[in-house]
Order: sequence, then C-alpha cells, then structure tokens
Amino acid sequence: GAGVSQSPRYKVAKRGQDVALRCDPISGHVSLFWYQQALGQGPEFLTYFQNEAQLDKSGLPSDRFFAERPEGSVSTLKIQRTQQEDSAVYLCASSPNVITSNQPQHFGDGTRLSIL
Amino acid sequence: SQELEQSPQSLIVQEGKNLTINCTSSKTLYGLYWYKQKYGEGLIFLMMLQKGGEEKSHEKITAKLDEKKQQSSLHITASQPSHAGIYLCGADTRAAGNKLTFGGGTRVLVKP
Repeated sequence: GAGVSQSPRYKVAKRGQDVALRCDPISGHVSLFWYQQALGQGPEFLTYFQNEAQLDKSGLPSDRFFAERPEGSVSTLKIQRTQQEDSAVYLCASSPNVITSNQPQHFGDGTRLSIL
Repeated sequence: SQELEQSPQSLIVQEGKNLTINCTSSKTLYGLYWYKQKYGEGLIFLMMLQKGGEEKSHEKITAKLDEKKQQSSLHITASQPSHAGIYLCGADTRAAGNKLTFGGGTRVLVKP
C-alpha cells in the first residue's frame, strides 16, 4: 500500500478483555516496529520484526503483550487481560530494511486504545 | 525518554517569526530523525541526519547535527500556521540501529 495502515483507529475495551491491533506495513518493507505513545509523551519502543522474526521485544511491558508477524507482512499486537494503564496510542512503523540500509521508519496513524 | 531531551516543551510564535527546537542526547547518536505529529495522527517524517556537522533543509525547515553527534536542532524560518503541531526527535543510539528512542516532543502553536 501507499502507507502504513493500522486498524482499528479507535478501540474501547473493558478492563480484563483481550484486544488485537493490526498493522499493514508498506509493501515490501522488511522491518516493522511497534511503539506505545502515552498522552503528551513521545513514543516508546515495544518490539521489532525483521521479516517474520521478532528480533527485539525488550520494550513489551509485560507478558500480557504479544506480537506476531507470521508471514513477514501484516503484524498483530495482542494485549491480554487489559488494564487501565494500557490506554495509549499504539503506533506501527515500517522501514525497507534497517539492517542493510539507514532509512527512516514510516508510521501509521495509530490505534487509540481506551480501557474502561 | 530520559535519554533524549527536547526543549522547549512548548512554543507559541507569531506567524512569520522564526523558531528553534533542540534535541540533546546523553549518548552518541548514530542517526537522528525529526518527525512532526498532529493530534490524533501518526508521525510524518521530516529529515534524517547521520554525520557529525550535517545540515539538511527542506522548504523552510533546517535541521543540524553537531560535530559530536549528541545534539540536534530544528529551525523553522518565517513560520506559518501549517507548521503547528508536535515535533519529535527520534534517535538511534546503537551502532546497529533499529529501534528509535524519542524525546518528549515540542508543541508548536503559530498565532496568525
């Protein structure tokens, strides 16, 4: 596609529910990133994929957070047993290949998650 | 992020005036990226700097990376209402760059 596409744009869930957030990267981009952005702050790194391999998940805040990219394209971020502190904007970014070239990450519009 | 500090946190300028935003790192920057974000939207890539002393310009926006590669500035000349938004600096702080560490952002308001 022309840009990084994320869905849904907005998600409201009750505390304790599971949610799944989807990211469609730019076609052909090997590298994919997830960030969490709290209100009034800069994005914080969550996890990073190179094709289908999850190479860095050091930013995931707890074992309730799980990300996958099974075919090396679309990625899903899943949050189990959501808590109020999970409320944030979840941003996805993709880049051609951060290992072989220094090119910028391109971001989607994010999913705004609100936990009631 | 405590690794990357942006200043000022917010800025109100009169249309037509210049403005400067600073981004300072406690670590060597292997790549410095400037993004702009409007409320409720994603980050729009502006410029990327990698070499010490590098300077890039696009339209009325100029970004610089100092020789020591620990500080960058973003300068907007003759600001317009379209320049309003949140400006974020993001940095690779490792040689094998992948994840970005972001500053807290600078909120810019341009008064007509």
